[in-house]
Amino acid sequence: AQSVTQLGSHVSVSEGALVLLRCNYSSSVPPYLFWYVQYPNQGLQLLLKYTSAATLVKGINGFEAEFKKSETSFHLTKPSAHMSDAAEYFCAVILGNQFYFGTGTSLTVIP
Amino acid sequence: DTGVSQDPRHKITKRGQNVTFRCDPISEHNRLYWYRQTLGQGPEFLTYFQNEAQLEKSRLLSDRFSAERPKGSFSTLEIQRTEQGDSAMYLCASSSTFTEAFFGQGTRLTVV
Repeated sequence: AQSVTQLGSHVSVSEGALVLLRCNYSSSVPPYLFWYVQYPNQGLQLLLKYTSAATLVKGINGFEAEFKKSETSFHLTKPSAHMSDAAEYFCAVILGNQFYFGTGTSLTVIP
Repeated sequence: DTGVSQDPRHKITKRGQNVTFRCDPISEHNRLYWYRQTLGQGPEFLTYFQNEAQLEKSRLLSDRFSAERPKGSFSTLEIQRTEQGDSAMYLCASSSTFTEAFFGQGTRLTVV
């Protein structure tokens, strides 16, 4: 079955530091991959998506992710963390008509 | 606001009561999804509609749960005889293609 694994349920970075949130997928074919962000008591907002086009995908709020087939990874990065980036981040893959989400990574930004 | 709208945002109910949630998708979207999210977890798929047809249902959707989308526009999710384990955030999403989904703000259900 296709699924995603997020490594690290909690990540803390200093303001201005690099953000790296890890996601690995299990699939024998290139999947459609997504990163969503969720602020407290809010729904999910799409950050970016990979749909078999360019392997480096740029999203909103300065985030980007690189699809690496050899590593079955789709890690999310941002060069410089901002306090407003503190939130829960979910990696997801689509299979058929369903999105399958990872368990999430909570990002804390330290001033 | 042209996003996905969910009502109510919060619901507190006593165990054993029935509750109904509403989702209004983005108007031109024919696909509508319901997900459930418990604390510290990612959203889990409940059911999927294409227009008015309910095409997929998760095993999570027990016989106490029912969802409808009568005219292919808004959708309702009803939980009968609520249990404490039903406490969660219920998320609705809509899309026009299978490569994206736009989520609403969710309905947080607390069963006491």
